[in-house]
Amino acid sequence: AQSVAQPEDQVNVAEGNPLTVKCTYSVSGNPYLFWYVQYPNRGLQFLLKYITGDNLVKGSYGFEAEFNKSQTSFHLKKPSALVSDSALYFCAVRRPGFQKLVFGTGTRLLVSP
Amino acid sequence: DAGVIQSPRHEVTEMGQEVTLRCKPISGHDYLFWYRQTMMRGLELLIYFNNNVPIDDSGMPEDRFSAKMPNASFSTLKIQPSEPRDSAVYFCASSLGSLVNEKLFFGSGTQLSVL
Repeated sequence: AQSVAQPEDQVNVAEGNPLTVKCTYSVSGNPYLFWYVQYPNRGLQFLLKYITGDNLVKGSYGFEAEFNKSQTSFHLKKPSALVSDSALYFCAVRRPGFQKLVFGTGTRLLVSP
Repeated sequence: DAGVIQSPRHEVTEMGQEVTLRCKPISGHDYLFWYRQTMMRGLELLIYFNNNVPIDDSGMPEDRFSAKMPNASFSTLKIQPSEPRDSAVYFCASSLGSLVNEKLFFGSGTQLSVL
């Protein structure tokens, strides 16, 4: 079985400051890891993924995530936050060979002006 | 492409009534997923299809829930009879096959309220 933990229900950051949204995972074998973002009254949108290769993955809207196998983490980062980044962020994991994608409970990001 | 289309956007019904949620996946996508989102449980996978065939329905809460995909461009999720605890946002998502392409495309969801 696979699972994802997002330890923070909410992250607050000032515009222009760096942001980090944390995610840890549990899965047998090498994980496939993802970040999705959800804006109000919308479905989730894909941000980025890690399948293999470079541990630092770059995605949409200036976001990036770092895969750390020893810490089983896949934290989402952005060097300089924008107010428009305020949304609900979901980390997800999939086992290789299986199509089922398991999501974390989500972290609300609030960027203040 | 119009993306994944779900209807209705909002549904308010009374306990005991039948509810049918609809989804049109992106043309050419061969996987279709139904998710439910609640504050308490987050985003849960209910069932998914590959080439119109149900593959894993282990997330379906109970027999009151059923899902069909009669063709590649249409799927329904039915709740009969509905209960207040079914109130949630139901999302449909689709993706283009293979185990390498990982990008799920979500619809805007159906907000279901069972009174």
